[in-house]
Amino acid sequence: DAGVTQSPTHLIKTRGQQVTLRCSPKSGHDTVSWYQQALGQGPQFIFQYYEEEERQRGNFPDRFSGHQFPNYSSELNVNALLLGDSALYLCASSLEGTEKLFFGSGTQLSVL
Amino acid sequence: AQKITQTQPGMFVQEKEAVTLDCTYDTSDQSYGLFWYKQPSSGEMIFLIYQGSYDEQNATEGRYSLNFQKARKSANLVISASQLGDSAMYFCAMREPYSSNSGYALNFGKGTSLLVTP
Repeated sequence: DAGVTQSPTHLIKTRGQQVTLRCSPKSGHDTVSWYQQALGQGPQFIFQYYEEEERQRGNFPDRFSGHQFPNYSSELNVNALLLGDSALYLCASSLEGTEKLFFGSGTQLSVL
Repeated sequence: AQKITQTQPGMFVQEKEAVTLDCTYDTSDQSYGLFWYKQPSSGEMIFLIYQGSYDEQNATEGRYSLNFQKARKSANLVISASQLGDSAMYFCAMREPYSSNSGYALNFGKGTSLLVTP
């Protein structure tokens, strides 16, 4: 049973570029959340998708957008990258109505 | 405002000893959930234990137990019989009640780095 998978594992971009990160949830899960974890900090909630719609959003600018597909997989897009966007981006999946979140290993994004 | 506070940036414990990682939280809601996650160097956040605010018994999962003191708003993680593989970052998190604008996010603390020594 595959857990949450994220791709790519590492990414290097330059300021102003755009990036797309991908996430496949754990089998049977229908809800996907994205978190940003800066170095030395706890993860910060970006948004959550359920039934292909953004259900809740954290304190992140509109440069951060996402999508959920009919197969429940999800993408996180970040436009006009800033140096401060360098972080580990974690995807988490869950089954609606349950408490436990399963996280992937993340995508390490470096913005130069 | 910080909703989850972990005051121990780093902790050491000897193998086979027990260790307590502190977590205090801030909420005005009566219904909420508390979580502990482990993050090894690989980056993946691994779920350890969950405590609902209305649960009367402290949660336990194998060697992990959660010392829940509601009046003090604390949710400390106790790891018994530490193993070398327990060395990792540990994060406390809280989920507040579902509403039209919140409740689906976990609010994480800054974490505690645990090092288990032989």
